[in-house]
Amino acid sequence: SQTIHQWPATLVQPVGSPLSLECTVEGTSNPNLYWYRQAAGRGLQLLFYSVGIGQISSEVPQNLSASRPQDRQFILSSKKLLLSDSGFYLCAWSHIEGFGYEQYFGPGTRLTVT
Amino acid sequence: AQSVSQHNHHVILSEAASLELGCNYSYGGTVNLFWYVQYPGQHLQLLLKYFSGDPLVKGIKGFEAEFIKSKFSFNLRKPSVQWSDTAEYFCAIGGSQGNLIFGKGTKLSVKP
Repeated sequence: SQTIHQWPATLVQPVGSPLSLECTVEGTSNPNLYWYRQAAGRGLQLLFYSVGIGQISSEVPQNLSASRPQDRQFILSSKKLLLSDSGFYLCAWSHIEGFGYEQYFGPGTRLTVT
Repeated sequence: AQSVSQHNHHVILSEAASLELGCNYSYGGTVNLFWYVQYPGQHLQLLLKYFSGDPLVKGIKGFEAEFIKSKFSFNLRKPSVQWSDTAEYFCAIGGSQGNLIFGKGTKLSVKP
């Protein structure tokens, strides 16, 4: 069966510090991968998605970047965190065949920027 | 552009009451529709989905949703809620990049 891991589960970082959140998927190959941010009262906002190694698409201009160094690894980064980067970050994967199919979510990372 | 609206921000019900959570979407083409649920302390999980066929879909834990194309709606229902249904519920539509476009979510609080 497929599983998705995210770490760390929680993170408190000062403004201006760097960020690296990692997501890995097991039990499937060549998945679509996604990073979302969930903010209270604002639902889930798609940040990045990837259809393959090295292929990253950004949905929202921001202080963040994403990379996919391996087929089942997706990394969310920032060089200098802002207060507004606080939130709950979710990684998700879906089967690459076809669009709009269901996605499977990881447990998330709660980021607090102080 | 595709979008999803959930009109109820917070719904409070007593156990055994009936539930209906509204969801409307904007998109003129073929749609894939989803309801996800996030229980306290747990991660987002799929409740039910509609791709095609019977517009009345049944999901886990006694939930169902009806796709009404003419109303661009996909409302979630449950005849009798339980305290364990306390959670946040998200309606979503499949996007053109394979992503999901979510509504802002509805918090459901069920009083025992």
